[in-house]
Order: sequence, then C-alpha cells, then structure tokens
Amino acid sequence: LAKTTQPISMDSYEGQEVNITCSHNNIATNDYITWYQQFPSQGPRFIIQGYKTKVTNEVASLFIPADRKSSTLSLPRVSLSDTAVYYCLVGPLDNFNKFYFGSGTKLNVKP
Amino acid sequence: DTAVSQTPKYLVTQMGNDKSIKCEQNLGHDTMYWYKQDSKKFLKIMFSYNNKELIINETVPNRFSPKSPDKAHLNLHINSLELGDSAVYFCASSQERTSGRRSYNEQFFGPGTRLTVL
Repeated sequence: LAKTTQPISMDSYEGQEVNITCSHNNIATNDYITWYQQFPSQGPRFIIQGYKTKVTNEVASLFIPADRKSSTLSLPRVSLSDTAVYYCLVGPLDNFNKFYFGSGTKLNVKP
Repeated sequence: DTAVSQTPKYLVTQMGNDKSIKCEQNLGHDTMYWYKQDSKKFLKIMFSYNNKELIINETVPNRFSPKSPDKAHLNLHINSLELGDSAVYFCASSQERTSGRRSYNEQFFGPGTRLTVL
C-alpha cells in the first residue's frame, strides 16, 4: 500500500485559501491521487482526483509536481462549512483495496 | 434520491449475536465495498466485490461475510459479535470511467451504520 502523510490538523479563517499537502514517497507508476472530505457522522465524499500536474474542478484544485511524491489540495476561499477531515489517498483506479485512508487532516475554519 | 443507502443507521446488540447491515446503490456501479471506521477515525477497507470477484482484506475475521443478492446490493453479515466490532461501517460503490483521455474512479459512500456491541 502506498501510504500517505498529512498534517493532523490545520486552522484557517473564512475567505482564505487553504492548501493541504500530502506526502506519498512510494507512489507507484499506475497510482492516482484522490482526496476525500468527511463531515462528522457522514461518509467520505469525493473531492478531486488526478495523476499529474494540475487538476481543477468546481470545488478544489489539485497540484502534483513532476516527481509525484507529494500533492497539494487547494481550497479557494473556505467557509465555515468546509470544516471537515480531508483524506489523501494513493492507489490504482482499478483496485481500491490498494487505497489507504490515513488519519486525514482536520481542517478547522474559523469565522 | 439517495445514491448509496444503508440500514440500519444505528445498531445496538449484545456480544455473541449475529447481525446484518444492508446496503443498496442506485448508481448502476459494478463494484461495491465495505469499510470499517474505528474510534480513532481510521477508515479500513474490508471487502470489495463486483460480479466477478470478491476481494477480502486479510485482516478481516471470517465472522464477517458480504452477501450480494444482486448488483445493486451488498449486505454485511456479522456472526458472533465481539466488543471490538463496535465501529461505524460504511458501504461504498464505484465504477471506473473515462472522459476524453482521462480516467477516473470515485467512490460514493453511504451514510454509515454505527454498530455498538454491549
């Protein structure tokens, strides 16, 4: 399993851009990087997924350097409702048994 | 419409009992999963299943067994419940897709079932 390392927690204020970095030094050639968000008492929710360079959707951007040993989830202008745990996962798209949910990053957005 | 649903939401039972948790997905996905989230919030995959293959995480006791009556359902049966089985269990489904030159595969999770074994 390609394990990941993320900060345990981060604090931010409403309206700020938040960047959460994940390290995955043993990422394999066919591994993708996926981020999930989880609110208390709910199941994780997919945010974004990418293989290299940059991916952007309506809620976030994912930056992946050329060596792919790390990735950064960027949340623009966070609000209080973005307070959640964010998980970085690495693995092949055809085998979620090889995805490892680490401890995640607890993001606390303050007013 | 709920994409992935689970019942019950809460389950409280005694040690030694046998219980089941039901999961249904209406997304037409071909692969379903069961995860366990413990008190420290670590999410661990237990099973993945499609109509061809069941993959079992080797750390899962054989008291746990998934049963799929059809493609849209994957139920979790637990025999001889133990205190350590207390956790939140999540069902999920996914299907790998291609959009242009990009491939992607996202899992859709259910709301979870909080199991408490007394």
